[in-house]
Amino acid sequence: GAGVSQSPSNKVTEKGKDVELRCDPISGHTALYWYRQSLGQGLEFLIYFQGNSAPDKSGLPSDRFSAERTGGSVSTLTIQRTQQEDSAVYLCASGRSQPDTQYFGPGTRLTVL
Amino acid sequence: SQKIEQNSEALNIQEGKTATLTCNYTNYSPAYLQWYRQDPGRGPVFLLLIRENEKEKRKERLKVTFDTTLKQSLFHITASQPADSATYLCALEMGSWGKLQFGAGTQVVVTP
Repeated sequence: GAGVSQSPSNKVTEKGKDVELRCDPISGHTALYWYRQSLGQGLEFLIYFQGNSAPDKSGLPSDRFSAERTGGSVSTLTIQRTQQEDSAVYLCASGRSQPDTQYFGPGTRLTVL
Repeated sequence: SQKIEQNSEALNIQEGKTATLTCNYTNYSPAYLQWYRQDPGRGPVFLLLIRENEKEKRKERLKVTFDTTLKQSLFHITASQPADSATYLCALEMGSWGKLQFGAGTQVVVTP
């Protein structure tokens, strides 16, 4: 079946602009995660959605970052007033409700000039 | 949160040998731990999950151990092949159902 998809695959923006990154999880997966991976670094947790529960936003680095998940499916990560330090690969993953594997998308490479 | 340590230096190994990777953590012991493989330009791919009450887990040429006393997991690739070259990440359950904290990963390079 289809895996997790993310769009765009690459995004180049100017400092100060807003960007939206999209994630389409695997159908039926109730859990959705966003991570950030800087060059040569590990994955940094950003936000976690589980079913209809309030999202766990504890990893968001600043109030410029926000995310939504509509209809329990598609999610959008929004970064307002982008800064150069926001440049990274943003990865989305989905999973089932039980402790289970996370299925990752290919990521969106964000470059802020 | 946890501090997770994985070998930061790349592991260079000859084809056919066993590669052993280490994941050490501090603070609380997670209910489970996972290992993922990441190739350049791609998202991580799940390999194995081991629970706190399991000492060892195997899948084909892969073996994972979990020592909650030492706060350590070892990941072994036996009879390694050049196709095993990748970065391997360990990930620990963070106390919130399904939420993981990832290590920085160890790069493995298998030469023919």
